[in-house]
Amino acid sequence: AQSVTQPDIHITVSEGASLELRCNYSYGATPYLFWYVQSPGQGLQLLLKYFSGDTLVQGIKGFEAEFKRSQSSFNLRKPSVHWSDAAEYFCAVGAHDDYKLSFGAGTTVTVRA
Amino acid sequence: DAMVIQNPRYQVTQFGKPVTLSCSQTLNHNVMYWYQQKSSQAPKLLFHYYDKDFNNEADTPDNFQSRRPNTSFCFLDIRSPGLGDAAMYLCATSRDVTSGSRRFFGPGTRLTVL
Repeated sequence: AQSVTQPDIHITVSEGASLELRCNYSYGATPYLFWYVQSPGQGLQLLLKYFSGDTLVQGIKGFEAEFKRSQSSFNLRKPSVHWSDAAEYFCAVGAHDDYKLSFGAGTTVTVRA
Repeated sequence: DAMVIQNPRYQVTQFGKPVTLSCSQTLNHNVMYWYQQKSSQAPKLLFHYYDKDFNNEADTPDNFQSRRPNTSFCFLDIRSPGLGDAAMYLCATSRDVTSGSRRFFGPGTRLTVL
């Protein structure tokens, strides 16, 4: 079964600084990979996804993520964060022949002025 | 706008008193999911409906039941809530049941058990 680890529970970043959130997955084949964002009081919103092809994927709100098979990673990046990016971020992995998404425990991002 | 709606947003119940959470969708998706999310934890899938077919996760307690009377609505029933059932409950939908099919999440219902 697939699984996801998000090593950072909480990250604090200054507004305008760059952000990188780590995600490591465990799965035998090429997985489906996702990043979701959850703002306070809101449901999960899909930021971006990787299925195949170009390993650098662009998402909404200026986010991008890079799939690195050799490192079993799918890290999320944003060059310059805005205060509105303060939220909880979840990485998720799915298998091609399954319906389940396995979510990581999430990384909370705090943006300071 | 097409969306996933959950009611109520906040629910307080007493220990052992049955409670029902509601989810509706305007996306006309075939699949509806219920997730339980405890504080600082990953969302945990409880069960899903593919059309009228109910699929329960192996580790979902019997205390949790679900109903889907039509395509648009799905309900989560907790027959005898315990203190450990306090959590955010997320409803989600997708067009089909593969993991690659995009999930659309509702805002969640936060359940408090006194």
